[in-house]
Amino acid sequence: GEQVEQLPSILRVQERSSASINCSYEDSASNYFPWYKQEPGENPKLIIDIRSNMERKQIQELIVLLDKKAKRFSLHITDTQPGDSAMYFCASGAKLTFGGGTRLTVRP
Amino acid sequence: GGIITQTPKFLIGQEGQKLTLKCQQNFNHDTMYWYRQDSGKGLRLIYYSITENDLQKGDLSEGYDASREKKSSFSLTVTSAQKNEMAVFLCASRRDRGLGDTQYFGPGTRLLVL
Repeated sequence: GEQVEQLPSILRVQERSSASINCSYEDSASNYFPWYKQEPGENPKLIIDIRSNMERKQIQELIVLLDKKAKRFSLHITDTQPGDSAMYFCASGAKLTFGGGTRLTVRP
Repeated sequence: GGIITQTPKFLIGQEGQKLTLKCQQNFNHDTMYWYRQDSGKGLRLIYYSITENDLQKGDLSEGYDASREKKSSFSLTVTSAQKNEMAVFLCASRRDRGLGDTQYFGPGTRLLVL
């Protein structure tokens, strides 16, 4: 089935620095690329998404980039805060296959 | 707005037992999904359904059955629970499979097999 690779699996950054997570996918027909944040004991919550008719989208400190040619998309969190510490998942494809997740820790 | 409800919230079973999890959505969404999440890991797709009475296997369908009795409900059956199994099962729904609509998640069912 469709594979979505997500890297890195663990990411530690200093408060107020940037954090970047990268995903690659296989299905060239994919047209929707959501990002989810999951905190301990909670279910995943959609934080930002991008559709295939866009290359860049920004909501406050969250930026997503999509390179359809390379089949890659990425999440960038600028000006990170300790409250950004969580698991982050990307997803792609008609069945919304999820990446393996990135555990982000923002150190004060 | 809408909501996805999952029952039960917690499920404790015995090895070999058949266990059924239920999911209801009032978004009037076409597509519904069942995912499994093991502790600290990503979500793996078990089954999804694009309309009433439709079933599509995900990567993890072995050991599970599913049923889409009506548009608003999607149930998942663990056909034979494995000893010491512990996972969260997440139901999700989406208006249409292919058109880039947002997917919404339910609160999850936490399974523990003794």
